[in-house]
Amino acid sequence: AQSVTQPDIHITVSEGASLELRCNYSYGATPYLFWYVQSPGQGLQLLLKYFSGDTLVQGIKGFEAEFKRSQSSFNLRKPSVHWSDAAEYFCAVGANAGNMLTFGGGTRLMVKP
Amino acid sequence: GAVVSQHPSWVICKSGTSVKIECRSLDFQATTMFWYRQFPKQSLMLMATSNEGSKATYEQGVEKDKFLINHASLTLSTLTVTSAHPEDSSFYICSARQGNYNEQFFGPGTRLTVL
Repeated sequence: AQSVTQPDIHITVSEGASLELRCNYSYGATPYLFWYVQSPGQGLQLLLKYFSGDTLVQGIKGFEAEFKRSQSSFNLRKPSVHWSDAAEYFCAVGANAGNMLTFGGGTRLMVKP
Repeated sequence: GAVVSQHPSWVICKSGTSVKIECRSLDFQATTMFWYRQFPKQSLMLMATSNEGSKATYEQGVEKDKFLINHASLTLSTLTVTSAHPEDSSFYICSARQGNYNEQFFGPGTRLTVL
């Protein structure tokens, strides 16, 4: 069975500081990995995805993530956080691009002015 | 492209009534739609997978007689919460994909509050 762990429930960073959100997955084959962002009361917006190829993937809003097979990780990073980045972030894994997704518990990001 | 809509965006109902939530793919044909549920401050949990023209597959612990799913066309799936109770209050999110290996796209969600 596949699973996703996001170790940090809450993270607070200062505006302009760098950000890294952790994601560890468990899956028997090559995973399809996703990061989504959810603002309060809203649906999910896809930030980026990894299917194959280059292990460093670029997404929208200046986010990037790196797939590390040896560590079963897919951490999300941003060099300089903006106040508008405050939201809930979910990492997810699937068996293929369109299969059902298993989500991590989410990380709530707060940004200090 | 690849837009998924949900209707209504929020609904309040009395305990014991039934509520229908629609999920539509606006610019593609969705052979498969997924229904997720998200309780406050929690992650999304898959409830069921519905393929057009066939019965939905429910995840363990999800009552199929309570959460009726219909996927009668390639652009519409509905989730009906029957005899709703306050514990059914949640955020329901659908996603849709075209084909077996294409990426799925998420709707904006429907917030259900049962009084």
